[in-house]
Amino acid sequence: GAGVSQSPSNKVTEKGKDVELRCDPISGHTALYWYRQSLGQGLEFLIYFQGNSAPDKSGLPSDRFSAERTGGSVSTLTIQRTQQEDSAVYLCASSLGLAGGRSYNEQFFGPGTRLTVL
Amino acid sequence: AQSVAQPEDQVNVAEGNPLTVKCTYSVSGNPYLFWYVQYPNRGLQFLLKYITGDNLVKGSYGFEAEFNKSQTSFHLKKPSALVSDSALYFCAVTRGNSGYSTLTFGKGTMLLVSP
Repeated sequence: GAGVSQSPSNKVTEKGKDVELRCDPISGHTALYWYRQSLGQGLEFLIYFQGNSAPDKSGLPSDRFSAERTGGSVSTLTIQRTQQEDSAVYLCASSLGLAGGRSYNEQFFGPGTRLTVL
Repeated sequence: AQSVAQPEDQVNVAEGNPLTVKCTYSVSGNPYLFWYVQYPNRGLQFLLKYITGDNLVKGSYGFEAEFNKSQTSFHLKKPSALVSDSALYFCAVTRGNSGYSTLTFGKGTMLLVSP
């Protein structure tokens, strides 16, 4: 079946502009996660959704970052007034979450969106 | 707080030789442990996980990992490396049996397998 998809695959923007990144999780996966991967920094957790609610937003680095999820499916990550330090690969992942009969399941990752802020 | 350490930035091994990629963790309570692999310009792919049961876990592409509670380690192994195994490998941990908790990743280890 289809995996996690993300769009766009690449985004180049100017400092100060707003950007929206989209994630389509695997059908039936109730949990969705956003991560940021910077060179040499590993994966940095940003936010977790269970259904449409976000019980864990602890990784969002500033109030310029926000995310929403609608219909228990598609999620968008919005970065306002982008800065050069926001340049990174943004990864989305989904899992069965709490609907899978267990409290935790492996996460399946999308290919990522490479964001470059000039 | 939970954490993962991957002490080697890079591991070099010749094709056909056994490989080990090291991972140690810190978490309160029982750990759930994962290995992921990332090929260039791709997302992370799940390799294997330890939740409970046998300490030796077998996963995709001939990889396996051994959970060692006393050493808080979860090293990734493969008996015979392939050039196509060259990629970036991530170890991850979360707190088990507690509903949701954040999955914490290590910084990754680049594996280079030479022909």
